[in-house]
Amino acid sequence: KAGVTQTPRYLIKTRGQQVTLSCSPISGHRSVSWYQQTPGQGLQFLFEYFSETQRNKGNFPGRFSGRQFSNSRSEMNVSTLELGDSALYLCASSRKFLALEETQYFGPGTRLLVL
Amino acid sequence: ILNVEQSPQSLHVQEGDSTNFTCSFPSSNFYALHWYRWETAKSPEALFVMTLNGDEKKKGRISATLNTKEGYSYLYIKGSQPEDSATYLCAFTNTGNQFYFGTGTSLTVIP
Repeated sequence: KAGVTQTPRYLIKTRGQQVTLSCSPISGHRSVSWYQQTPGQGLQFLFEYFSETQRNKGNFPGRFSGRQFSNSRSEMNVSTLELGDSALYLCASSRKFLALEETQYFGPGTRLLVL
Repeated sequence: ILNVEQSPQSLHVQEGDSTNFTCSFPSSNFYALHWYRWETAKSPEALFVMTLNGDEKKKGRISATLNTKEGYSYLYIKGSQPEDSATYLCAFTNTGNQFYFGTGTSLTVIP
């Protein structure tokens, strides 16, 4: 069974630009969650999508948005990039909505550098 | 924002030593506590999900305990091996349906 995939793996952007990251969950998984990790910080929860609906959102500004398609693939968009958005962005999938007791399976991440 | 603390921040042990580290979390509105292992250049890998006070889970040489009343969980590794070197993350979820991760304990096992 293929794991969670994320594209692209690495990305360099400049301040003010926008970026879209993609996450394909494990087949049969309907929940996709997104996380940000910056140096010295733990993983910060961005949002969770389940059945094409955003179910949950972390404490991030409106520049961070996402969506989920009918095949459960999810995209995350960050507009008007700032230097502080440089981070590793991870997505994770699970069968049911937010993995309260479920196991989440993480992708390899997209490393974003904003110059 | 809830505070999930892990200690120690980093740890070096000799191969064969047993070790343990701690995850502290708010005891109110507890729902579940997750442990993950994150090896360099890989994705975080789920180890355990625990929900009940007093719960104890085991996977090979790794085990974890949970105390929801006082808000802590211990992760134990018996007879550490070099392949156990990784960052160990805990994540707390409350009834508000969000994940709060700790900053992790970085374990290095010296051969």
